[in-house]
Amino acid sequence: NAGVTQTPKFQVLKTGQSMTLQCAQDMNHEYMSWYRQDPGMGLRLIHYSVGAGITDQGEVPNGYNVSRSTTEDFPLRLLSAAPSQTSVYFCASSGQGGAYGYTFGSGTRLTVV
Amino acid sequence: GENVEQHPSTLSVQEGDSAVIKCTYSDSASNYFPWYKQELGKRPQLIIDIRSNVGEKKDQRIAVTLNKTAKHFSLHITETQPEDSAVYFCAASSRGNNRLAFGKGNQVVVIP
Repeated sequence: NAGVTQTPKFQVLKTGQSMTLQCAQDMNHEYMSWYRQDPGMGLRLIHYSVGAGITDQGEVPNGYNVSRSTTEDFPLRLLSAAPSQTSVYFCASSGQGGAYGYTFGSGTRLTVV
Repeated sequence: GENVEQHPSTLSVQEGDSAVIKCTYSDSASNYFPWYKQELGKRPQLIIDIRSNVGEKKDQRIAVTLNKTAKHFSLHITETQPEDSAVYFCAASSRGNNRLAFGKGNQVVVIP
């Protein structure tokens, strides 16, 4: 039981490049979310999903896309990377019928130059 | 949407003393309030949570209290130890409990 697995752990992108941050969980959780963490800003919600095929926007969705084709996977796509997207990204999941007791992945540190 | 604020932003305590962190929230419909601890370079981890039908919950040296009328909840850490040094985040549920809104975090420093 690996919990929530995020890849890659570190990534450097050039401005304008695209990439996908991967998130997978093996706990059969329905709820999954992506957060970004910036110094002094806490954790800000980018997108979330309440089940396969269902996604919704959070506080800071611009520049990011998500899809949820399976219960296990919730990838986050950066369409055209910008320096403002330099951050630490966390994926989280919960299986308690809501955003209860989230389990977080280990994070992806992304730098856009 | 839900707005969660934490105070103070940084808290220094002597080892063995108590630490209290307070959070306020804006949405009276929120009914789930967790606290997460994040050590340097690591992921946030849930340490305690409370639902709106309960006023207080304890787990060993940590406790959370909730005042729904005033829309605030607090984390209490007793007999602080150096390993309690971390950033603590509070959060509140929103949108029918489908998402969590986090505060900006409190840095707690326990001085040996």
